[in-house]
Amino acid sequence: NAGVMQNPRHLVRRRGQEARLRCSPVKGHSHVYWYRQLPEEGLKFMVYLQKENIIDESGMPKERFSAEFPKEGPSILRIQQVVRGDSAAYFCASSPDRVAIKLFFGSGTQLSVL
Amino acid sequence: TQLLKQSPQFLSIQEGENLTVYCNSSSVFSSLQWYRQEPGEGPVLLVTVVTGGEVKKLKRLTFQFGDARKDSSLHITAAQPGDTGLYLCAAINDYKLSFGAGTTVTVRA
Repeated sequence: NAGVMQNPRHLVRRRGQEARLRCSPVKGHSHVYWYRQLPEEGLKFMVYLQKENIIDESGMPKERFSAEFPKEGPSILRIQQVVRGDSAAYFCASSPDRVAIKLFFGSGTQLSVL
Repeated sequence: TQLLKQSPQFLSIQEGENLTVYCNSSSVFSSLQWYRQEPGEGPVLLVTVVTGGEVKKLKRLTFQFGDARKDSSLHITAAQPGDTGLYLCAAINDYKLSFGAGTTVTVRA
């Protein structure tokens, strides 16, 4: 998938634990997007970040979810106190600029909450 | 957020047959993309269409964008097992993609 690396590929957590999902964008891309895919549903936009800035987090639940894209290192999507409804595939995408015309998606992290 | 409806939800055909999947919206698309997603992987971009009435071909795949820019279709000729996957359409709105729920295509050998 054109160099977007996500890890872990699979993550199992018990209710109440924290989940940390990592995304390294394509080299040189400074725009990162997180999408969530629930069973039988399409991908839903969660958050758009540029280096050190959150541009749009309108698709992210207000409670328990946070995202960052530091100056150095990968983007992190953090889910605190996970619940069963958080079980989903989480995809990261990157682009060289803010327009979504050419997004490269990672292979995703499948989060399972027991 | 633009709502996209894809049909059919599931499609199972024999190798060598043709198939068409549809993507419709109640509002006008500025531009539209089609993706294919395989199990356990992220979506991979197939095509972007921006002009009403536009037709694009990618080997055995033909993409059409309706004149009114409210609908699009993907036609696969002589389908092969390798075409199996989830086909997603997505409307582009600046930096955001609004995806349809997808059509799951299974091509039987």
